[in-house]
Amino acid sequence: QKEVEQNSGPLSVPEGAIASLNCTYSDRGSQSFFWYRQYSGKSPELIMFIYSNGDKEDGRFTAQLNKASQYVSLLIRDSQPSDSATYLCAVGEYGNKLVFGAGTILRVKS
Amino acid sequence: NAGVTQTPKFRILKIGQSMTLQCTQDMNHNYMYWYRQDPGMGLKLIYYSVGAGITDKGEVPNGYNVSRSTTEDFPLRLELAAPSQTSVYFCASSYSEGSYNEQFFGPGTRLTVL
Repeated sequence: QKEVEQNSGPLSVPEGAIASLNCTYSDRGSQSFFWYRQYSGKSPELIMFIYSNGDKEDGRFTAQLNKASQYVSLLIRDSQPSDSATYLCAVGEYGNKLVFGAGTILRVKS
Repeated sequence: NAGVTQTPKFRILKIGQSMTLQCTQDMNHNYMYWYRQDPGMGLKLIYYSVGAGITDKGEVPNGYNVSRSTTEDFPLRLELAAPSQTSVYFCASSYSEGSYNEQFFGPGTRLTVL
């Protein structure tokens, strides 16, 4: 059974700071990695995906992947109170399925 | 497009009762999924389907059943509700297997079993 581990938090950062969210996974053969954001009482929504080692940037978000270390992270620059949510790391597996971590709660304080 | 819709939004069941959670998508996605999310936990896959007439078990299938008679609909059946099935249930869909398999989620059904 694949495992995806995240620090549950909460991670508290001041407004304007960089938030760094981390995720490790157990299956060395995993190829696709996703970050979903989930506001309280709402459904998850995809914010980033990454397949290749290195960094991928999209606006204020940067996903970083290191397959050798089995580590994927999400950086949020210029954090805003509206970024306060739970961030779920997910790893793709055979059959178009995803294995989710438990999520990290992010709180951005104004 | 409405995307993925789920009914009901909320439901309270008594132990031993049965119910069906409805899920419909209008994006012509062939893959559909049912997850449950317990408080403070990630999503656990219950069942999934790769197309009409084809379903398979996920990580936590016990106590649930599914069917997929059309591309659009993927209902989840609870036969004998137990308190352990108190959870939020999300249905999701995605287009196809491949390198980009974003899953789109419905709004969820919050189920309480007393």
